[in-house]
Amino acid sequence: AQSVTQPDIHITVSEGASLELRCNYSYGATPYLFWYVQSPGQGLQLLLKYFSGDTLVQGIKGFEAEFKRSQSSFNLRKPSVHWSDAAEYFCSVGPSSSASKIIFGSGTRLSIRP
Amino acid sequence: DAMVIQNPRYQVTQFGKPVTLSCSQTLNHNVMYWYQQKSSQAPKLLFHYYDKDFNNEADTPDNFQSRRPNTSFCFLDIRSPGLGDAAMYLCATSRDWNEQFFGPGTRLTVL
Repeated sequence: AQSVTQPDIHITVSEGASLELRCNYSYGATPYLFWYVQSPGQGLQLLLKYFSGDTLVQGIKGFEAEFKRSQSSFNLRKPSVHWSDAAEYFCSVGPSSSASKIIFGSGTRLSIRP
Repeated sequence: DAMVIQNPRYQVTQFGKPVTLSCSQTLNHNVMYWYQQKSSQAPKLLFHYYDKDFNNEADTPDNFQSRRPNTSFCFLDIRSPGLGDAAMYLCATSRDWNEQFFGPGTRLTVL
């Protein structure tokens, strides 16, 4: 069965420190992969996406993610976090043909320590 | 700016009183989605329209219905809201199965 796992429910990092949020997926074919960010009381905003090609993708707000097929992972990284990065982050997996199989991970809440 | 708009942002209704949430988009996307998101949980897909074709998720309660009168608008109708339906409702759009663009959400409170 298809699934997305974000093993870290809550992460706290110091402002200026590096960040890595983990995402593992289980899917029969190469999926479309997305990272979204959600601020409190707001909708989701796309940070970056991977469809094919270069496995290191750059996104908005200084984020990047690397697709590793051998590890079924799509981890999100940022070299230096800012207080404004505090939010909920969702990894999402979707196929090319059926929205009903778009799956969101359970999310990772990021807190920033001053 | 092209965007996804949801109205109202906050909706309070009484137990059992029908309520309608609205979503409009200026992106001219052919796919529109409705998600339910409860506190500290991932969004849960309720249904989507691919053009005019309605696709209901298997576990979406019959209490939830949707209408898409044209490309730009989509409505979520909750026929008899229960306390368990209190949640954030998110509308999203996409061009085919590409990335989804989300509206700001409607926070529904059921008294």
